[in-house]
Amino acid sequence: GNSVTQMEGPVTLSEEAFLTINCTYTATGYPSLFWYVQYPGEGLQLLLKATKADDKGSNKGFEATYRKETTSFHLEKGSVQVSDSAVYFCALGSSGGGADGLTFGKGTHLIIQP
Amino acid sequence: NAGVTQTPKFQVLKTGQSMTLQCAQDMNHEYMSWYRQDPGMGLRLIHYSVGAGITDQGEVPNGYNVSRSTTEDFPLRLLSAAPSQTSVYFCASSLTGENTEAFFGQGTRLTVV
Repeated sequence: GNSVTQMEGPVTLSEEAFLTINCTYTATGYPSLFWYVQYPGEGLQLLLKATKADDKGSNKGFEATYRKETTSFHLEKGSVQVSDSAVYFCALGSSGGGADGLTFGKGTHLIIQP
Repeated sequence: NAGVTQTPKFQVLKTGQSMTLQCAQDMNHEYMSWYRQDPGMGLRLIHYSVGAGITDQGEVPNGYNVSRSTTEDFPLRLLSAAPSQTSVYFCASSLTGENTEAFFGQGTRLTVV
């Protein structure tokens, strides 16, 4: 079945540091890949997505590239801010005609210190 | 622009009590789902529905029931609450269940004592 592995953290960085959160996946077919962000006390919201190999998703300075050859979708940002502190979830969509929703990683808690 | 609305936001139950978590969406999405979020476990799918009148089990369905009588509503019922059901519950909707963006509610924090 589908699965997602991501670093769990917490990851603590100083403001303006470079961020990488690793995500690898196992899937059949060609699912879409997503990064969701959860701010304290809120639900998840979509940060970015990629629908096919070599696609790059980007939003709010964050980027991730769909790498089929390494089954990865690492999240990067060049200069983080305190407001980026949140939990980040890597997820993959169903593939092969299934309708069983998204498969999530365990989440990475990111803490940005001023 | 309501999106996905969950009620209540917080709930405390005694072991053995029953209750219903409400979820409504106003985006005319066919697909709706319920997840639970536990520390170190990520989000796990409880039940999902691909349209009115159709529901199916996810990864962790035991102890929960769902129904989908309308496109808008997808309530989650706890039949006899247990401490193991202490969790944060999220309802989500999307156009379809395959590879499309999911929109999440704000969550319900449930404590079973």
